[in-house]
Amino acid sequence: GNSVTQMEGPVTLSEEAFLTINCTYTATGYPSLFWYVQYPGEGLQLLLKATKADDKGSNKGFEATYRKETTSFHLEKGSVQVSDSAVYFCALSDVRRDYKLSFGAGTTVTVRA
Amino acid sequence: GAGVSQTPSNKVTEKGKYVELRCDPISGHTALYWYRQSLGQGPEFLIYFQGTGAADDSGLPNDRFFAVRPEGSVSTLKIQRTERGDSAVYLCASSRDGAGNTEAFFGQGTRLTVV
Repeated sequence: GNSVTQMEGPVTLSEEAFLTINCTYTATGYPSLFWYVQYPGEGLQLLLKATKADDKGSNKGFEATYRKETTSFHLEKGSVQVSDSAVYFCALSDVRRDYKLSFGAGTTVTVRA
Repeated sequence: GAGVSQTPSNKVTEKGKYVELRCDPISGHTALYWYRQSLGQGPEFLIYFQGTGAADDSGLPNDRFFAVRPEGSVSTLKIQRTERGDSAVYLCASSRDGAGNTEAFFGQGTRLTVV
């Protein structure tokens, strides 16, 4: 079945540091890949997505590239801000039922001023 | 409303009781989803509605769980004979349609605690 494994947290960084959160997946076929973010007190929000191999999703300074050869979708940001403190979830959609998302366990990121 | 609304935000119930969790999706969204998030885990799919019908209920853990969406808008997740293992955050999401490329918008969830 589909599964997502992401880097365990929590991760604590200083402002302007480089952030990487690793995500690897197991799936049949070529699913779409997503990163969701949950800010304190808010619901899950789509951060970025990629729908096919070698696509790069980007938003708010975050990037992730769909790597079929390594079944990975690592999230990166070059210079984090305190406002990036949140829980980040990697997810994939089921190839046959693409409304159905499978999520990783989430990585808590705290950015200190 | 502007976003997906879930009520109540918190619910504490005794083991064996019946609970209902409500989801009010974004107006005009035909697709609605329920997920369950246990502590330290990512959300897990429970059920998907397209309009009034449950198009996929394969994630419901057992027959104590049931969900309805009678008018194609508000949905209610119903849990009978609650057990302590049902304690989790229940998330609702909606999207304009059920296509995977259409963004799903999530509510803030209902935190259910069974004591």
